Amino acid sequence: RKEVEQDPGPFNVPEGATVAFNCTYSNSASQSFFWYRQDCRKEPKLLMSVYSSGNEDGRFTAQLNRASQYISLLIRDSKLSDSATYLCVVKNTGGFKTIFGAGTRLFVKA
Amino acid sequence: DAGVIQSPRHEVTEMGQEVTLRCKPISGHDYLFWYRQTMMRGLELLIYFNNNVPIDDSGMPEDRFSAKMPNASFSTLKIQPSEPRDSAVYFCASSPAQTQYFGPGTRLTVL
Repeated sequence: RKEVEQDPGPFNVPEGATVAFNCTYSNSASQSFFWYRQDCRKEPKLLMSVYSSGNEDGRFTAQLNRASQYISLLIRDSKLSDSATYLCVVKNTGGFKTIFGAGTRLFVKA
Repeated sequence: DAGVIQSPRHEVTEMGQEVTLRCKPISGHDYLFWYRQTMMRGLELLIYFNNNVPIDDSGMPEDRFSAKMPNASFSTLKIQPSEPRDSAVYFCASSPAQTQYFGPGTRLTVL
């Protein structure tokens, strides 16, 4: 079993739709959680950190469920520019070793 | 402020040749990471440094791979000898703490 698992998609949604991605992790000692975004043939970039209480940044909402060991990303009012691959990232305790999920591809269509 | 700089951006080489990838992290960042990304395996952490010292190299696939960080502003990832299965995009990232800032990557093709 992979340490971080994501639904690869692709998710095809119309503009204005709400879409949600989930990610599960296997190490219960995982300490920090993030969502990164990667555009085609570009480098990953931090989208947002994920806090225990959940957090929101504009149209993006991230949630963490430690008991079930999953994190989620909700995108409201999807824009064409949201089309990208979204990477779930987990950092374990005791160091800076970072595990990336394989990513979920999102296509937003006009 | 310049971001993470990687060179070369593209490298095409023949099997058996030595390949050296270079990275200049963002000034002041204490952590430096090397990743490899392929369609089959996704983004894999190869090694990371803290204050120029290798901390975890458990992701380095085999002895053909080596990484160095002689000073705070420069790191190399070397593959010797290279093999076709090493073809991938290699990213360098640096970090002051939690957030990692990635370079544009080096697209390596081994024929």
